[in-house]
Amino acid sequence: GQNIDQPTEMTATEGAIVQINCTYQTSGFNGLFWYQQHAGEAPTFLSYNVLDGLEEKGRFSSFLSRSKGYSYLLLKELQMKDSASYLCAVRDNAGNMLTFGGGTRLMVKP
Amino acid sequence: DAGVIQSPRHEVTEMGQEVTLRCKPISGHNSLFWYRQTMMRGLELLIYFNNNVPIDDSGMPEDRFSAKMPNASFSTLKIQPSEPRDSAVYFCASNLSGGGTDTQYFGPGTRLTVL
Repeated sequence: GQNIDQPTEMTATEGAIVQINCTYQTSGFNGLFWYQQHAGEAPTFLSYNVLDGLEEKGRFSSFLSRSKGYSYLLLKELQMKDSASYLCAVRDNAGNMLTFGGGTRLMVKP
Repeated sequence: DAGVIQSPRHEVTEMGQEVTLRCKPISGHNSLFWYRQTMMRGLELLIYFNNNVPIDDSGMPEDRFSAKMPNASFSTLKIQPSEPRDSAVYFCASNLSGGGTDTQYFGPGTRLTVL
């Protein structure tokens, strides 16, 4: 099975940097995904890590340490529109099923 | 390109009624997923199809829930009879599996309210 932990809520200031952590204990691992979900909308894909290290994509970066069962999503130059829930999801060994964490609700304040 | 299409977007029904949710995956994708999202339990996988065949239905809560995928462009999730605890947002997602990122793309969801 999979167990995925994320903080429930975080607050940050516009223009700042925020790091959202995700830890997982899994019976198998074949990649970690981050999704963004605005209130009342569908999750949308942000990033993917399967090897250790940092993946950068504009203002967003994601890091993975497989030995520690740990990932983080780094959001730079925060904007008000970044207020959303951020979901961490682990893909199993079979390769196509995702298990989602409970999500971290990020509130960006002026 | 059209994304994943779901209908209806909102459904309000009374306890005991049958509910059918519909999904059209992205053209060319070979896998389809049904999820349920609630505040209490988050986003949970209900069932997963690959090439129209159900691969894993271990997340289907009970016999009241059933899902079909008669062809590559259409799937249904049926609840019969519905109960108030089934109230949730139901998402359908699809991907092209077979290596690489295999990113799942989500539809807009169906918000189900069972009174």
